[in-house]
Amino acid sequence: AQTVTQSQPEMSVQEAETVTLSCTYDTSESNYYLFWYKQPPSRQMILVIRQEAYKQQNATENRFSVNFQKAAKSFSLKISDSQLGDTAMYFCAFMKPPWAGYGGSQGNLIFGKGTKLSVKP
Amino acid sequence: NAGVTQTPKFRVLKTGQSMTLLCAQDMNHEYMYWYRQDPGMGLRLIHYSVGEGTTAKGEVPDGYNVSRLKKQNFLLGLESAAPSQTSVYFCASRPGRRIPGELFFGEGSRLTVL
Repeated sequence: AQTVTQSQPEMSVQEAETVTLSCTYDTSESNYYLFWYKQPPSRQMILVIRQEAYKQQNATENRFSVNFQKAAKSFSLKISDSQLGDTAMYFCAFMKPPWAGYGGSQGNLIFGKGTKLSVKP
Repeated sequence: NAGVTQTPKFRVLKTGQSMTLLCAQDMNHEYMYWYRQDPGMGLRLIHYSVGEGTTAKGEVPDGYNVSRLKKQNFLLGLESAAPSQTSVYFCASRPGRRIPGELFFGEGSRLTVL
């Protein structure tokens, strides 16, 4: 079974600085998807960024980028120029490709336990 | 654009009572999910559905039942609520088996069982 581990329960960063959130996962699959979701105090789950395992290039979305190390099964999120609005819980998530066969957990998201990020003014 | 809508947003139950959470999506998505979120546990999958009329168990299905009678709706039922089911429940959906991509979430429903 796949597992996702976020080893940092809480982190803080000063506004305008850079912070990196860690995520490791365990799987025997060769093709899969990885995601970072943000959950602000409003509770809404918002997709931050996604990475497809067969793509070697690291995904970027404005101030958010990932460092995807497939061999090490590592998927860290870097937030540059941190803003107060980045304060939230961040969840790393794994998905087996939905076309990987019938039944089982294809297409389901498996989440880590989250990292609470506080951006301080 | 409504997206994924959950009702109710908040509910307090007594032990042994029953209730149903409704999830509705207007994106014509095939797949729908129910997760629960507990402090320090992340989100855990309760049940999911890959299409109208089909449901399957997730990681923590005990004490819950689901139904997907219409493609746009996914209902989560608690027949006899227990304090251990106090949690925040999230519904999510995504397009279909052949379409990779992220899940779209509702805003969550906070359930307290006394």
